[in-house]
Order: sequence, then structure tokens, then C-alpha cells
Amino acid sequence: QAQMVESGGGVVQPGGSLRLSCAASGFSFSDYGIHWVRQAPGKGLEWVAFIPSDGAYENLADFVKGRFTISRDNSKSTLYLQMNSLRVADTALYYCARVKSGAFDLWGQGTMVTVSS
Amino acid sequence: DIVMTQTPLSSPVALGQPASISCRSSQSLVHSDGNTYLSWLHQRPGQPPRLLIYKISERFSGVPDRLSGSGAGTSFTLKISRVEAEDVGVYYCMQATRYPFTFGGGTKVEIK
Repeated sequence: QAQMVESGGGVVQPGGSLRLSCAASGFSFSDYGIHWVRQAPGKGLEWVAFIPSDGAYENLADFVKGRFTISRDNSKSTLYLQMNSLRVADTALYYCARVKSGAFDLWGQGTMVTVSS
Repeated sequence: DIVMTQTPLSSPVALGQPASISCRSSQSLVHSDGNTYLSWLHQRPGQPPRLLIYKISERFSGVPDRLSGSGAGTSFTLKISRVEAEDVGVYYCMQATRYPFTFGGGTKVEIK
């Protein structure tokens, strides 16, 4: 069945970097735009970034512009989020989510990013 | 940015009773293509969100017809006709009409 599995999270110091991955299977990855959404511990959902099916451009939330980059490798059915200059406020569970008909119809289980000194 | 405001924050409901969640947006969610990209998500503790309703009232695959969405413009509602134990958790509305996409703050549904 269709699924997406995130990885790459961990503990990093402020100012550090991480690269998250989201491996998709069970569907034609190259047909879908994909988003990153995060959820700080005990908090609500926050949209982070989007990349269309062909990877032609990226849309980023203002609070990550200049620090995060979203990319994809359709040959590997994998989405990435390169996170640089990490801040304590970036601490969250990061989900990848597939978009269809303007809604997020498939979510991964998430990968936890903790930014702490 | 479009602000999504959900009420109530918490909704204790007896099993078998109805529940209703309101979501208001700070701007119209009608897209230039004529669609309104308002969806509802449900999140159980320790689980990722899952899609319930999209484009205001379209029920996602596998979602029981006890759940229904309605509304237009800036005002939207999710209704559960008869709450069951599996309905507990946090419900979020989300707009995908305009970037940045934004979510409501969440409504926690619990059994009274």
C-alpha cells in the first residue's frame, strides 16, 4: 500500500544542520507534489515547504527561507529537506505529506528533530 | 497569512451524541480556480494526522458518513452525527488555497 517513511532526524546543536529524507513506496511518486509539515511537542501543525511533482520550484515558509531547502529525486522516490542554521524553535516532529485535490491525503509517521545545546 | 480559527478548543461529548467543530478563516478560501481548499484532519495521540474531509465536504476514502463537512467562504463546520470511541483526538482544519498553507489550532474531542 502507499506509504511514506521519514528519516534523518536527531539531536543537533543550534546553528547545526540536518538532512531529512522521506522515502515513498506503493504509488507513483513522480506524479505528486509533496509537502513538509512540522509539529512542535504538544503543539499544532505548521506548514514548512512544498515541491511540485517535477521539482521545478519550491515554496518555503518565511521562517525557514534562507535556511531550509526542499528537493526530490524521483528516480529514488525520495523527498529531502536540507535544514541549515537550525534554531531551538525548529524542534519538532517533521512529517512529509502527499497532496491531492488540495489536501494532504497521505502522511508519513514523522521524524523528530531536536535542536538543543 | 490566512489565519484559521477553530472553536471550541475542547469538546467533551457522550458516546452516541453529536459533535460540531467550527473553523473560520481570516480571508475567503475560494481559489481562483473556483475550488475552496478547506480540509479537515484527525490526529490521535502518537499518530500522524489523517485526512477526513477535503474541498469543504468531500469525504476521503474510508471515512464514515457519520462525519460531514459544510460551509463556504470563510466559515466551515465539521459535524460528527454520533460520536464513537474511535473519534477521540484532535481535529484540525487546514486551508490550501493560498500560501503559506495554514492550520487551525485544533479541537480536542474527548468522551464525556
